[in-house]
Amino acid sequence: AQSVAQPEDQVNVAEGNPLTVKCTYSVSGNPYLFWYVQYPNRGLQFLLKYITGDNLVKGSYGFEAEFNKSQTSFHLKKPSALVSDSALYFCAVRDSNYGQNFVFGPGTRLSVLP
Amino acid sequence: SQTIHQWPATLVQPVGSPLSLECTVEGTSNPNLYWYRQAAGRGLQLLFYSVGIGQISSEVPQNLSASRPQDRQFILSSKKLLLSDSGFYLCAWHAPGTGAYEQYFGPGTRLTVT
Repeated sequence: AQSVAQPEDQVNVAEGNPLTVKCTYSVSGNPYLFWYVQYPNRGLQFLLKYITGDNLVKGSYGFEAEFNKSQTSFHLKKPSALVSDSALYFCAVRDSNYGQNFVFGPGTRLSVLP
Repeated sequence: SQTIHQWPATLVQPVGSPLSLECTVEGTSNPNLYWYRQAAGRGLQLLFYSVGIGQISSEVPQNLSASRPQDRQFILSSKKLLLSDSGFYLCAWHAPGTGAYEQYFGPGTRLTVT
């Protein structure tokens, strides 16, 4: 079965500092991995994905994520955080062996302090 | 380009009343459609998904039901609401076989059952 863990409920970072939001996953086949961001009372916005190829993927708003197969991780990163990055971040996985279902992590709340 | 609509945006309903939430997608054909519920601003719970007209898969047994009367329309219903049905309901779509692996989410419906 597929599963996603986001080990941190909350991440605090000062504006201008680098940020990392962690994600680990478990699948039986090849993973398709995604990051989404959610602002209050809004739907989820797609940030980036890893399907195949380069382990470092770049996405919207300066975010990037690194796929690490041996550690089954897909951590979200940004070199310099902005106050406007404060939001709820979700990691998601789809198992290439299991059709169309997406499994989401519990979410990590990012607070960027001015 | 593709867009996804959900209505109503907010809804306050008494316990025992019926429910109908609607989701429509524009700009794509034969999408997979999903209903999620998000409680207390955290994790997403997959309720239903559909790979075609009239084809509904239920992930969680409950007093909710879903229907897909048209290719790009997905409806979430209940005959009698419970207090525990309160939450933020999100509709999402995914275009299988197009090379786009990610889901896209609607703006959500905030349901409060009183």
